[in-house]
Amino acid sequence: DTAVSQTPKYLVTQMGNDKSIKCEQNLGHDTMYWYKQDSKKFLKIMFSYNNKELIINETVPNRFSPKSPDKAHLNLHINSLELGDSAVYFCASSQARGGHYGYTFGSGTRLTVV
Amino acid sequence: DAKTTQPPSMDCAEGRAANLPCNHSTISGNEYVYWYRQIHSQGPQYIIHGLKNNETNEMASLIITEDRKSSTLILPHATLRDTAVYYCIVNSRGTASKLTFGTGTRLQVTL
Repeated sequence: DTAVSQTPKYLVTQMGNDKSIKCEQNLGHDTMYWYKQDSKKFLKIMFSYNNKELIINETVPNRFSPKSPDKAHLNLHINSLELGDSAVYFCASSQARGGHYGYTFGSGTRLTVV
Repeated sequence: DAKTTQPPSMDCAEGRAANLPCNHSTISGNEYVYWYRQIHSQGPQYIIHGLKNNETNEMASLIITEDRKSSTLILPHATLRDTAVYYCIVNSRGTASKLTFGTGTRLQVTL
């Protein structure tokens, strides 16, 4: 059983398109995150949600809109895709209360904008 | 969050212990030391964490100095599969906490 699963694993799309990446965790964690890893391999946090509430928004362009329908899901919708959005996007989850606070990451979604 | 300093790269022979250092001289009293690794392009993997006591689990040991300004991650018997980028991160707990990744140490395990 995959703890944090992301779909799709690969996504190739043209500039200007709108796309979504889905993330689900079956760990019962109350907090979920989106990270972006660019071509230089630098991992940066984008958003975090705790029990469906936005907690962290790290100066991400408003073309990126996270949505958390429930605490087990955090989806990322991207409007008007640009070349610079090409990266690997990782979803993660953690238990903010009562847990060891270690994050569990998904296997990533490689987004290529052409 | 406090920042950490790690060497950019290290080599280790297979079967030997890999000792990865980390400096975190500005760590606050409520911040934990976490270690993660990223193998190739996979998602980062949690290894271990500690506050002030030394910790050991099935993957590694974490040695934290008494002043908490530095720590060492020890992989007791490195294998080729341990080749990865290792990140040392200090982080406080709470719903607004976030892992801030630096550049890490690229560990190359060789035959």
